[in-house]
Amino acid sequence: DGGITQSPKYLFRKEGQNVTLSCEQNLNHDAMYWYRQDPGQGLRLIYYSQIVNDFQKGDIAEGYSVSREKKESFPLTVTSAQKNPTAFYLCASSKGRAFDEQYFGPGTRLTVT
Amino acid sequence: KQEVTQIPAALSVPEGENLVLNCSFTDSAIYNLQWFRQDPGKGLTSLLLIQSSQREQTSGRLNASLDKSSGRSTLYIAASQPGDSATYLCAVIGPTGGSYIPTFGRGTSLIVHP
Repeated sequence: DGGITQSPKYLFRKEGQNVTLSCEQNLNHDAMYWYRQDPGQGLRLIYYSQIVNDFQKGDIAEGYSVSREKKESFPLTVTSAQKNPTAFYLCASSKGRAFDEQYFGPGTRLTVT
Repeated sequence: KQEVTQIPAALSVPEGENLVLNCSFTDSAIYNLQWFRQDPGKGLTSLLLIQSSQREQTSGRLNASLDKSSGRSTLYIAASQPGDSATYLCAVIGPTGGSYIPTFGRGTSLIVHP
């Protein structure tokens, strides 16, 4: 089955700890994206990558970091510098061209206490 | 900067009604517009993708139209069912410094009751 997987589904961390969220795709897509979703708000772009070994900041990149060492994988690290990390995190991918459809993973709900 | 607005924010209807969800955007220079469905606690599922050169797309009971010049899209749901209950989001892709980054609306939360 082709698609995007995110793990884990639920993640709990103590304040001050870094945590890494996994995103893997087997769609052979060039572009991958990380979004954050908070209740009552739209999706906000954290980081995106259009090609391996390259990534760009989105609207709310502060306190987050990413890597893109493989085409299939785009992990997101939520650092202790992120002031309000509790949220629902969504990963997406597309072929990366203007006219291409976006596909989403099932999401990871992160709770930091 | 592109802004996307979805009206209404919430909608509750009896089963069987035909529905219209609205999406408006401020910059008409878009490449495509995509409608998604999101169930509580889940990821987004793509429903329809309309290219900028198209006027509408249809899939089953769903029909999405696009009027680029007026900055509007509508999602029409025929004969609504309780299983249609979800949040519906629209996203537009336009030129963003050479990248193709979607801008999302906040969604319309739909409840269809039996």
